[in-house]
Amino acid sequence: QQPVQSPQAVILREGEDAVINCSSSKALYSVHWYRQKHGEAPVFLMILLKGGEQKGHEKISASFNEKKQQSSLYLTASQLSYSGTYFCGTVFNSGGGADGLTFGKGTHLIIQP
Amino acid sequence: DAGVTQSPTHLIKTRGQQVTLRCSPKSGHDTVSWYQQALGQGPQFIFQYYEEEERQRGNFPDRFSGHQFPNYSSELNVNALLLGDSALYLCASSLEGLGFDIQYFGAGTRLSVL
Repeated sequence: QQPVQSPQAVILREGEDAVINCSSSKALYSVHWYRQKHGEAPVFLMILLKGGEQKGHEKISASFNEKKQQSSLYLTASQLSYSGTYFCGTVFNSGGGADGLTFGKGTHLIIQP
Repeated sequence: DAGVTQSPTHLIKTRGQQVTLRCSPKSGHDTVSWYQQALGQGPQFIFQYYEEEERQRGNFPDRFSGHQFPNYSSELNVNALLLGDSALYLCASSLEGLGFDIQYFGAGTRLSVL
């Protein structure tokens, strides 16, 4: 039931765009996106809920296709600081309140000058 | 505004020993979740505490137990350590009832079992 992320890794030049995908075989209640740099805590980027609500950083955009159980994270005009490993975390059925997240294996993003 | 803090940052134990990891949630947060992150993998959910009780649990054996205190801080205990327990242990906190259950992570405790 672990979500599948693609691609596994991507290398970009500064200023280029990237799309990271997250796909689940099980119906999703919400999708959470995090970025983790080596040796640091995962940092919250975006949350997307069933029904269309979302909240996140202004410079980050994402989509959530409920029918396909898929989410995509869009990184535009990438900066060196965007480098890191991106994880999607999923919640299948919310009982109300916070839920444990099921994370994918991550997408490694390297931005080159 | 203090974020999520974890202690210790690094720990070395031997097989069969017991370990206790500690977590202080972000100011104002009342829910604490624990995750295990093996090298090169995504975090795996261990369990979650709310109102001093375990509310949810992932697929981890009973050797993994926890506690939440009245001040919302939390401990993760692992008994009879195995080599496979070597990992980064992450604590995340959130606020119940917000609607958006955004979880904020600490930097983790790196546990090495020899």
